[in-house]
Amino acid sequence: IAGITQAPTSQILAAGRRMTLRCTQDMRHNAMYWYRQDLGLGLRLIHYSNTAGTTGKGEVPDGYSVSRANTDDFPLTLASAVPSQTSVYFCASSVSGGGNEQFFGPGTRLTVL
Amino acid sequence: GDSVTQMEGPVTLSEEAFLTINCTYTATGYPSLFWYVQYPGEGLQLLLKATKADDKGSNKGFEATYRKETTSFHLEKGSVQVSDSAVYFCALSDLQGAQKLVFGQGTRLTINP
Repeated sequence: IAGITQAPTSQILAAGRRMTLRCTQDMRHNAMYWYRQDLGLGLRLIHYSNTAGTTGKGEVPDGYSVSRANTDDFPLTLASAVPSQTSVYFCASSVSGGGNEQFFGPGTRLTVL
Repeated sequence: GDSVTQMEGPVTLSEEAFLTINCTYTATGYPSLFWYVQYPGEGLQLLLKATKADDKGSNKGFEATYRKETTSFHLEKGSVQVSDSAVYFCALSDLQGAQKLVFGQGTRLTINP
């Protein structure tokens, strides 16, 4: 593994189903983030974690939950998917917040029908 | 709250043309400023950054100067190539809480040979 990996690459999901998007980084970064990317809206932060064991809400957290049991993994769960959650989801990490570069994964394209 | 506004796209240029993509921001304090690039089918990569007023970030022939007086961070390149075709995002680091990134909506750039 080099950098950040996300799984699955893409998924089609029926509305009402539960789904977990996986994110793993091997850079030992403290901070991790989940964004969604929608056309014309750029990237919007869903949830973040400054360090293992802590999480926080971003700009658009409703309908999503996260956990940070260890440094490397930061899964994003949709408890009951809705069509408005159709988007491309990016996980990112950084050494810490502030002026440090964030490194992005390749993304997960999710379609909720 | 903090926000970033980019020039609307899409932008289409011929190879070797001069490029400017405008970016202005609203923020409390003195955030760090970033340009990220997203090539087709990939995640975002940091292109350049500036952490204080009058700093110039540069990379791969691209430049941007942190202008506090005009709250701007315009991206420029003197001679674009077909390989520069991508979506470009301006972002600032939120100095509150998680120090997350706030993104503009993105500008799609297409360079024709």
